[in-house]
Amino acid sequence: DAGVTQSPTHLIKTRGQQVTLRCSPKSGHDTVSWYQQALGQGPQFIFQYYEEEERQRGNFPDRFSGHQFPNYSSELNVNALLLGDSALYLCASSGGDREVDEQYFGPGTRLTVT
Amino acid sequence: AQKITQTQPGMFVQEKEAVTLDCTYDTSDQSYGLFWYKQPSSGEMIFLIYQGSYDEQNATEGRYSLNFQKARKSANLVISASQLGDSAMYFCAMREDLSGGYNKLIFGAGTRLAVHP
Repeated sequence: DAGVTQSPTHLIKTRGQQVTLRCSPKSGHDTVSWYQQALGQGPQFIFQYYEEEERQRGNFPDRFSGHQFPNYSSELNVNALLLGDSALYLCASSGGDREVDEQYFGPGTRLTVT
Repeated sequence: AQKITQTQPGMFVQEKEAVTLDCTYDTSDQSYGLFWYKQPSSGEMIFLIYQGSYDEQNATEGRYSLNFQKARKSANLVISASQLGDSAMYFCAMREDLSGGYNKLIFGAGTRLAVHP
């Protein structure tokens, strides 16, 4: 049973460029959430996708957008990259036990903006 | 606003001893969930233990137990018989239930645990 997978593992971009990060949820899960974790901090919620729609969004600008596909996989897009976007981007899937609604995390994509 | 506070930036423990990592939370919701995650240097967040706000018994998962004191709004993680592989960052998180039945996790700043031989 494959867990949550993310690609790529590392990425280096230049200010002003655009980036796309990918996530495949754990088998049986239908909800994908994205988090940004800056160095030395806890993860911050970006947004959540369910049934191919953005259901909730955290305090992030419109430069951050996403998509969910019919197979529940998801993409996170960031436009006009800033130095401050350098972080570990974590994808989490859920949808198994609705009572606990535990979120299973992937290994993350480490984005460096120069 | 909901908030998680972890006041210990770093903790040290001798191998085979027990250690307690502190977590306090702030919420006005009656129904909520509390989680502990372990994050090794590889970056992946590993689920350790869950406590629901209506659970009367403290949660336990192997060497991990959660000391849940609802009146004090604390949810401390206790790791018994520490192992060298327990060295990692530990995050306390609270599930915030949002409208429409959706939810998000709110994380604390984390505690770095170092286990010494």
